[in-house]
Amino acid sequence: KNQVEQSPQSLIILEGKNCTLQCNYTVSPFSNLRWYKQDTGRGPVSLTIMTFSENTKSNGRYTATLDADTKQSSLHITASQLSDSASYICVVSGEEFYFGTGTSLTVIP
Amino acid sequence: DAMVIQNPRYQVTQFGKPVTLSCSQTLNHNVMYWYQQKSSQAPKLLFHYYDKDFNNEADTPDNFQSRRPNTSFCFLDIRSPGLGDAAMYLCATSPRVADEQFFGPGTRLTVL
Repeated sequence: KNQVEQSPQSLIILEGKNCTLQCNYTVSPFSNLRWYKQDTGRGPVSLTIMTFSENTKSNGRYTATLDADTKQSSLHITASQLSDSASYICVVSGEEFYFGTGTSLTVIP
Repeated sequence: DAMVIQNPRYQVTQFGKPVTLSCSQTLNHNVMYWYQQKSSQAPKLLFHYYDKDFNNEADTPDNFQSRRPNTSFCFLDIRSPGLGDAAMYLCATSPRVADEQFFGPGTRLTVL
């Protein structure tokens, strides 16, 4: 069964600290993996997209990794800011799109 | 700027009263999607259009219908909203089905 699981479900960190979000998937065939940031009450916005051959991709303070062998991805946020508070959704594309349930990140002062 | 626009941003309707949500895009993408997202859940795909070809997900209730009169616009019609239909409705577009999706800001639907 094609599934995308994210962990942790929620996370609270202090401003300025780093954090890592996890995404494990069982989607096959695999086309690409995307991380989206969704602010409360807004639509998701793409952070990174990774294909099978890509291991690491950065977008400012966001760095995504992909291990296609173990079917795991992570999103690392460096020097967190209050504006990073949002839900982070992992979406895997195969024959169709498969959404994870997201990690809710709260950054506190 | 090219974008995906949804109107209204907030919609309140009464139980059983039909409602229409609107989505427009300036990206000239072939594919338009409608998702339903309930609190703390992942977006759930309702249906999508590839050009004029309509693709309905198997578990999308008949209560939900869609229209795409042209490339730029797509509408979601909820014929008889129930309390369980209260959710955020997201519109997204992509050049092709497997490509990156660009989401609109969503419409928050409240059913009284």
